[in-house]
Amino acid sequence: QVQLIQPGGEVKKPGSSVKVSCTAPRETFRTSAIYWVRLAPGQGLEWVGQIIPFYGAANYAPKFQGRVSITADESTSTAFMEVSSLTSDDTAVYYCARGTPSGGPNYYIDYWGQGTQVIVSS
Amino acid sequence: DIVLTQSPLSLPVTPGQPASISCKSTQTLMHSDGKTYLYWYLQKPGQPPQLLIYEVSNRFSGVPDRFSGSGSGTDFTLRISRVEAEDVGVYYCMQTKQPPFTFGPGTKVEIK
Repeated sequence: QVQLIQPGGEVKKPGSSVKVSCTAPRETFRTSAIYWVRLAPGQGLEWVGQIIPFYGAANYAPKFQGRVSITADESTSTAFMEVSSLTSDDTAVYYCARGTPSGGPNYYIDYWGQGTQVIVSS
Repeated sequence: DIVLTQSPLSLPVTPGQPASISCKSTQTLMHSDGKTYLYWYLQKPGQPPQLLIYEVSNRFSGVPDRFSGSGSGTDFTLRISRVEAEDVGVYYCMQTKQPPFTFGPGTKVEIK
């Protein structure tokens, strides 16, 4: 079992930003990807983006491009997802998850963090 | 973008009986490397999702053998040979063949 540690929750005002952390085992940072996926009320799972810490390169879903930034700090084995210009539509549980390499360019999610509840409300 | 559809969206089940969920893709999920990047996850109430099946038909570590996956190209199926009460939750298929990676809408499984 691989543990990914996320904070419990955040309450933010519309128009502000939120930065969510995800601390993983050191080995995960050296060999895996970190995914970010969200679950909004009444909705299904939605891929936000991912980063491969070893390479430092991040990919984003088009709808989040320009408004989300995913980074990784190898010294603390912690990944971060920052969402700016928040609206009520961003109210969701944000999960980080480990992406395990399956050969070639593909990394698939095998373990998930407990999630961070982000509430956007005035 | 690759769109995944699931059916049914709601599935009442009787413990001990089989159940199956379909996942259909708008494009083949077979990559040029020969692998098919289709996965199944279960999100139980109050928990994060958990991996059940990877690359169409491979059971993840610790997943009971009553769960099985099959399919190819654009059509995939998750089967539960004998449903147990602990299997309730929302089942999602997911593709990582090409970004943006996408999930199906989810199938809610509940006990009759």
